[in-house]
Amino acid sequence: GNSVTQMEGPVTLSEEAFLTINCTYTATGYPSLFWYVQYPGEGLQLLLKATKADDKGSNKGFEATYRKETTSFHLEKGSVQVSDSAVYFCALRGAVSGGGADGLTFGKGTHLIIQP
Amino acid sequence: DTAVSQTPKYLVTQMGNDKSIKCEQNLGHDTMYWYKQDSKKFLKIMFSYNNKELIINETVPNRFSPKSPDKAHLNLHINSLELGDSAVYFCASSQGGLSGNTIYFGEGSWLTVV
Repeated sequence: GNSVTQMEGPVTLSEEAFLTINCTYTATGYPSLFWYVQYPGEGLQLLLKATKADDKGSNKGFEATYRKETTSFHLEKGSVQVSDSAVYFCALRGAVSGGGADGLTFGKGTHLIIQP
Repeated sequence: DTAVSQTPKYLVTQMGNDKSIKCEQNLGHDTMYWYKQDSKKFLKIMFSYNNKELIINETVPNRFSPKSPDKAHLNLHINSLELGDSAVYFCASSQGGLSGNTIYFGEGSWLTVV
């Protein structure tokens, strides 16, 4: 079955530091890959996505590249801010037999804490 | 306008009670979901409906029963609530068919069973 593995944290960084959150996956076929973010007390928001190998998703200074050869989708940001403190979820969505798409399979989430 | 809205946002109830969480989406999507987030923030799909038909039904106690009166609504009814049901429940929707289509989430319903 499908699975997603990501570093669980918490990850604590200083403001303006470089961020990498690792994410690797196991899936059959060619899934689409997503990063969602959950701010304290809020719901899940899509941060970025990539739907095929070598695609790069980007949003709000965050980037992630779909690497099929290493089955990875690492999240990066060059200079983090206090407002980036949140829980980040890597997820994949595959196709199902007979057509259509599956629901999302999530990693366990990475709690990111940015200190001033 | 909130794209995926669910009510109530907070719910505190006693063990043994029956409760419902309602969800509505105004995005015109044909697929809706319920996810459960436990105390460790782990998210797991519970159900998926496509055009009012049940598509995904993960290993969930049969005390949980989803109901989809139309494509825009997917409600979750929980019977005989137990302490372990305390969690955040997220409703979500997407346009089915392609794995690259984004799944949009509601703001969550925080359920506490005492």
